[in-house]
Parts: sequence; structure tokens; C-alpha cells
Amino acid sequence: GAVVSQHPSRVICKSGTSVKIECRSLDFQATTMFWYRQFPKKSLMLMATSNEGSKATYEQGVEKDKFLINHASLTLSTLTVTSAHPEDSSFYICSARGTGAPDTQYFGPGTRLTVL
Amino acid sequence: GQQVMQIPQYQHVQEGEDFTTYCNSSTTLSNIQWYKQRPGGHPVFLIQLVKSGEVKKQKRLTFQFGEAKKNSSLHITATQTTDVGTYFCAGRTPNTGFQKLVFGTGTRLLVSP
Repeated sequence: GAVVSQHPSRVICKSGTSVKIECRSLDFQATTMFWYRQFPKKSLMLMATSNEGSKATYEQGVEKDKFLINHASLTLSTLTVTSAHPEDSSFYICSARGTGAPDTQYFGPGTRLTVL
Repeated sequence: GQQVMQIPQYQHVQEGEDFTTYCNSSTTLSNIQWYKQRPGGHPVFLIQLVKSGEVKKQKRLTFQFGEAKKNSSLHITATQTTDVGTYFCAGRTPNTGFQKLVFGTGTRLLVSP
């Protein structure tokens, strides 16, 4: 099956710093990528949808200036958490959808962010 | 708010017992997907149901999509300790143009040997 990777898998940073998370589709072209956030023992909440070459569409309540999303190529999307605070600590998961099977999303392994 | 609810939130069973989680949406779904997330892991795709009333089986797992395409269920027969994890349903709703995958609240399953 299709593979999506995320880097880093785990990051610890100080409050006020910015953290970039990469999401790559390894063996297919991802026209659309989704970013989710999951708090402990909670469900996945969609943060934003990004299409290659265009601006991301953010869900209600998600600050676009705080969570910068770039989808510069068909295999790479990045999420930058700017000026991170402890409440941003969470599990961030990306997923990618290709052109061949539009109903299928392939999930990355997630990035666990801890802000001290 | 969350449009796709699952019950129960949590269930603890003895190995060998059956388990069922129910997924209910406030709106019609174009299709329903099920995922399993092990503790510390990421969601892993299990199956997708598309047709009204569809039933699919994967070994001890039986998935069902309701006639109105608003609800679904996952039944595990004779649970094993390897079934431990959180099971999420996910569907695409019309108010997102069926583009976004909305996850259910999840059911956490614990199986004791």
C-alpha cells in the first residue's frame, strides 16, 4: 500500500520556539494532504486541508498564522507550529490522498510534540 | 462540534468475549471507513463500506453500514489481546462536500487475558 512518512516522529521544544513537521508521500503523488491533531485519549480533529500549489483551508478555530502549512510539491507538505506554547503539545498526524483512489487517505505515523 | 459519535467510549472485555462498537452520524455519509489505533501508534485503515446495508467481514471482524448510511458497526468475535486499541469510524459528510474525512469519537477496547 501507499506509504506516508512524517519527520520528526517526536520533538520537544521550549515555549516560544517554532517547530516544523514534514509529511511526505513516498510512492505516490498526493494532490491533497490533511493535517490532524489528536489530544490524549481523544479523536482526530482535522486542522486543515492543503492542495498542492494553493493555500491551505483551515478548519474553524484553527489559527492559520500559528499553524503554517505549505504544500509546495506533490509529495511534501509541511506544518510549522509558530511560537509554540505548552497547550500546543499534541500528536500531529498528516494524511495524503492521491488521484488514483480519491476516497482513500493514507496516514503518516504522526509527530508527538511536547512544548515545555 | 463532533458530528460522528461512537458508543461505547470504552469497553473492557475478557479474552474470548465478543465486542461491538457503534458509530452514528447526524447526517448521511457517502461512505464509512474504520481505523484501528494501537496505544502510541497512528490510525491504521481497516476497511471501507460504500453501499447502503453493506456488510463486510475480515476474519473475526464484521463491519456493517446502515440502510440510511448514517450509522455503522464493527463487531469482533472472540476477542484476543491483540485486538487492544481504539477503533475509529470515519466518514465524509455532505456539509463538507464529501471532501473531508470526519472521525468518530472512538471506542477504546481493552482485552484481558
